[in-house]
Amino acid sequence: AQTVTQSQPEMSVQEAETVTLSCTYDTSENNYYLFWYKQPPSRQMILVIRQEAYKQQNATENRFSVNFQKAAKSFSLKISDSQLGDTAMYFCAFMKPPGGSQGNLIFGKGTKLSVKP
Amino acid sequence: KAGVTQTPRYLIKTRGQQVTLSCSPISGHRSVSWYQQTPGQGLQFLFEYFSETQRNKGNFPGRFSGRQFSNSRSEMNVSTLELGDSALYLCASSLEGVGGVNEQFFGPGTRLTVL
Repeated sequence: AQTVTQSQPEMSVQEAETVTLSCTYDTSENNYYLFWYKQPPSRQMILVIRQEAYKQQNATENRFSVNFQKAAKSFSLKISDSQLGDTAMYFCAFMKPPGGSQGNLIFGKGTKLSVKP
Repeated sequence: KAGVTQTPRYLIKTRGQQVTLSCSPISGHRSVSWYQQTPGQGLQFLFEYFSETQRNKGNFPGRFSGRQFSNSRSEMNVSTLELGDSALYLCASSLEGVGGVNEQFFGPGTRLTVL
């Protein structure tokens, strides 16, 4: 069974600085998908960034980028130029390739990120 | 386009009762998934529906069930409620595509409290 581990329950960063959230996972699959989701205090979960395991290039979305190390089964999220609105719980998630199902996300326990002014 | 909606947003029940939660996906989305979020267990997958059929199921007891209607709206039901069922229940919908994985869009959740 797949597992996702986020070793940092809480982190804080000063506004405008850079922070990296860690995520490791365990799987015997060769092809899969990895995601970072953000859940602000309002509770609406939104997708931050995604990575397909077959792609060697690390995904980037504006201030958000990942460091995907497939051999090490590591998938960290870097947030540059942190903003107050980045304050939220961040969840790392894993999904096997679709084999008739797109719904089964396996989540880590989350990292609570606080951006301080 | 309207997002995923869930009703009710808050619910208080007593042990032994049953409850039904509703989820309306984004228009055009045919896949609906349900997750349970608790402080202790985190986010756990309950089940996924597509075209009125359950395609995938998580490791929850049979008291948890669901269904999907022809308009893709989904309901989940929990019977014989236990204190441990208190949680935030999240629904997510996605657009079924050919190959690859499509983004799951989450609703605001239903906060269930069992007394």
